[in-house]
Amino acid sequence: DQQVKQNSPSLSVQEGRISILNCDYTNSMFDYFLWYKKYPAEGPTFLISISSIKDKNEDGRFTVFLNKSAKHLSLHIVPSQPGDSAVYFCAASGAWGQNFVFGPGTRLSVLP
Amino acid sequence: GAGVSQSPSNKVTEKGKDVELRCDPISGHTALYWYRQSLGQGLEFLIYFQGNSAPDKSGLPSDRFSAERTGGSVSTLTIQRTQQEDSAVYLCASRLQGTSGSPSTDTQYFGPGTRLTVL
Repeated sequence: DQQVKQNSPSLSVQEGRISILNCDYTNSMFDYFLWYKKYPAEGPTFLISISSIKDKNEDGRFTVFLNKSAKHLSLHIVPSQPGDSAVYFCAASGAWGQNFVFGPGTRLSVLP
Repeated sequence: GAGVSQSPSNKVTEKGKDVELRCDPISGHTALYWYRQSLGQGLEFLIYFQGNSAPDKSGLPSDRFSAERTGGSVSTLTIQRTQQEDSAVYLCASRLQGTSGSPSTDTQYFGPGTRLTVL
């Protein structure tokens, strides 16, 4: 039973447009949510995070939105760039310091 | 500075053989994680070490899998009597602190992974 779901295995977006990647979770005890980005043949790298006391966190072109009541978060990338093409993983954690549960990932392709 | 390193980068083995995968975390990081990613799947948590505490082994898929972390630094993941379904990329990550800080300042740093192929 997947606790963290990313229902879109892939997404294609035109350069300059907005990319929206979605993530849903089932465990109401999750308090921290993170997005990681992964290029082929490399390990994932941390992108942005949000804690459950917030509903939005912004870092440059990347914004994460959290809707706790819906158990849903999304990552917005605007404007999208070809270098953003990668697999994006959503991850969740309970109290900080516990292990992380990762979603299956969404492959984003930004077309020039 | 040096990041997380893993060795070997690729390992091909025959079914039934034992394999050892190594992870060198970032110096000073007290938390260390092992994950695996099977083809077309997400990251599957395997085991988590935090300082001198007993490791969280809840993700290990069978008793053929074990891991050690010696001296609070290097970790070895051992798979005994490998099976074809063990074929995956095995990723290691380390983090500075496990029980304080916040996700924005104390994140996981991943190694490049070891691609294991069991024939």
